[in-house]
Amino acid sequence: DGGITQSPKYLFRKEGQNVTLSCEQNLNHDAMYWYRQDPGQGLRLIYYSQIVNDFQKGDIAEGYSVSREKKESFPLTVTSAQKNPTAFYLCASSIQGLGSNQPQHFGDGTRLSIL
Amino acid sequence: AQSVTQLGSHVSVSEGALVLLRCNYSSSVPPYLFWYVQYPNQGLQLLLKYTSAATLVKGINGFEAEFKKSETSFHLTKPSAHMSDAAEYFCAVRTNNNNDMRFGAGTRLTVKP
Repeated sequence: DGGITQSPKYLFRKEGQNVTLSCEQNLNHDAMYWYRQDPGQGLRLIYYSQIVNDFQKGDIAEGYSVSREKKESFPLTVTSAQKNPTAFYLCASSIQGLGSNQPQHFGDGTRLSIL
Repeated sequence: AQSVTQLGSHVSVSEGALVLLRCNYSSSVPPYLFWYVQYPNQGLQLLLKYTSAATLVKGINGFEAEFKKSETSFHLTKPSAHMSDAAEYFCAVRTNNNNDMRFGAGTRLTVKP
C-alpha cells in the first residue's frame, strides 16, 4: 500500500539536543511538507519542498531544519534553538503542480516531548 | 493570502442528530477547499474536497459539504451522527497560485449516546 511513514511515533529530547524526525513516502509525490500541531491552533507550516534538493521556509521555520536529498524522504531536525519543541509533528505529501487541486496525504505523526 | 475560519472549537451532538461544522474562507481567487478528519494520535484523513466541479460535494462516512460563494462558506454536514464520528475536523484552503495549504484551527466533535 502506498502511504507516508513517520518515525518514531514518540520522541523525547533532552536540553541542548538536536533530534531528527523521519518522513518517508512511496506515493511518488513531488511535494512534501512538515506541520506542527498544538492544541487549539490547528496546523502550522514549518517547511515544504516542491522538488528534490529544494525547500522553502513556512510560517514557523525558526529552530528547525530540513533536507530533501531523495524524492521519498524529507527528514525534519528540531534543533536546540527551538525552545518550545513539545508538539505533534505531521508530515504530508502531495502531487506537485502550481495550482494543483490535489489534497495532501498525511502520515500518522510524531509526538515530541522534552525530558 | 487565503485563510479559513472554523466557527466553534467544540461541537457536541447526540447520536442520530444532524452534524453541522462551519467553515468560512477568505481568498481573492477561486479556492480549492478540503475537509479532513483526525482521530486521536493519528494523522489527517481526507473527507472530501471542492475543486469547482460541483458545489455539493459528497465525501466518505456519509459527510457532505456545500460550497457557497456568496457566503464564502464550505460547511460540513452529516444527517445522522454516529459515535464513531467523534474526532477533530479541519477545513483547509488552497488556491491555484499557491502551493501550500492553509488549515483552520479545527473543531472537535463530541457525540453523546
